[in-house]
Formats: sequence, structure tokens, C-alpha cells
Amino acid sequence: DSGVTQTPKHLITATGQRVTLRCSPRSGDLSVYWYQQSLDQGLQFLIQYYNGEERAKGNILERFSAQQFPDLHSELNLSSLELGDSALYFCASSAGTESNYGYTFGSGTRLTVV
Amino acid sequence: AQKVTQAQTEISVVEKEDVTLDCVYETRDTTYYLFWYKQPPSGELVFLIRRNSFDEQNEISGRYSWNFQKSTSSFNFTITASQVVDSAVYFCALSERTGTASKLTFGTGTRLQVTL
Repeated sequence: DSGVTQTPKHLITATGQRVTLRCSPRSGDLSVYWYQQSLDQGLQFLIQYYNGEERAKGNILERFSAQQFPDLHSELNLSSLELGDSALYFCASSAGTESNYGYTFGSGTRLTVV
Repeated sequence: AQKVTQAQTEISVVEKEDVTLDCVYETRDTTYYLFWYKQPPSGELVFLIRRNSFDEQNEISGRYSWNFQKSTSSFNFTITASQVVDSAVYFCALSERTGTASKLTFGTGTRLQVTL
């Protein structure tokens, strides 16, 4: 157990629907990162939050949004889902925002859009 | 933009063979961190090592060893006496600063298949 908890582990939904993925960071970590792993794009950075504030944005679609709550858990919202959104979504946490902090990954949420 | 290249898409070896996974990176930062992660068939990302740009010492952990060469921008990973349990996809990653934040940039991964 890495200490980063992601729920649900698996999600199957239809095109056009909206889903929410949840991440609880490792105890004491203030930063949360979201990554998408798809077959054709590899592991892509989506977004980072630090202590409730958005800090960095990557290749995140406008249909996707995220937030980090006061208790530091984070949610990634995916809307108007398309078949191409099927992927493994990882959350990672770290103690801070600097490069010298390690990144601990959760076990991922596998999203299948049908 | 920073970049990580893992030129080997897939490697197959027989158990007990040694295998080296290559990683070449590009960055303009003078301070950066390099990582290796393992992704077994179950899908989770398992942290293996983190190395900062000022520490070029090679590292050995059991059957695993890492060779960091700043002169060639490489951070290669060797598994000695490979085992079937080593079968996985291995990712090299570079920590990149983006303003007041940092993020990992991953290579495309190398799939290692170890057979009996």
C-alpha cells in the first residue's frame, strides 16, 4: 500500500456521461497530481494542486476539471465522455511542489467508456 | 520542453540473463531529478529510484543497479540475473519545474518480458 488511495478502481460508463475520480494523498503530503495513461499517449500529466490551489496544468481537456479540498483529497471530474477517454488515471502525491520531493502514486482508476 | 526517451519498446530475455534498460533525457534545468518506476501487469506504478542531478554515483539495490551519466544525459537501469517477476513495463521519468511547481515527464516505457 503506497498510502495514496484512489477510488473507484474500475469504472465503466457510457459516452456522454460524467464521472468523478477520487484521490486521497499520503498522510502529510500537500501536493496532488493527476496523470492519464492511455495506449496511444502514454503517461500524460494533467494537473497539479498544492494545498488547495491549482499549481500546474498539463494536457488536460476542457471537459475535465479537478479540485483539491480542505482535507487535501482531490477529485478529477470528467464530463461528456468519449471513447478516447478510456484510460488508466493515476493520482500521485508529494510533500511539496519542488522537484526534490518524491512522488507516490496510487493504484489508479481504470475508466472504460463504452 | 523537457523530454525523456526510452528507445527500447520491448525486450525479451531468458531468466537469469542480465538486461539493461536505456533512458536518455533532455532538460535545460541545472537541478533536476530522475526516476525509474515499474508497472507490473496489475497496473500500479511502483517507485524504484530517484536520483538528483548533482549525484552521479551509481547505485545498486540487490539485483538492480543504475548508471547515471550526465555527460551523455543518460540514466540506465540494469537488472542482474533477471527473474520472471521482473516482467513489467519500466518507465524513466524526469522531474520538471514549471514556475512554482514541478511535474514528472515520463518516457514511453520499456516492456520487459522474462521467460523461463
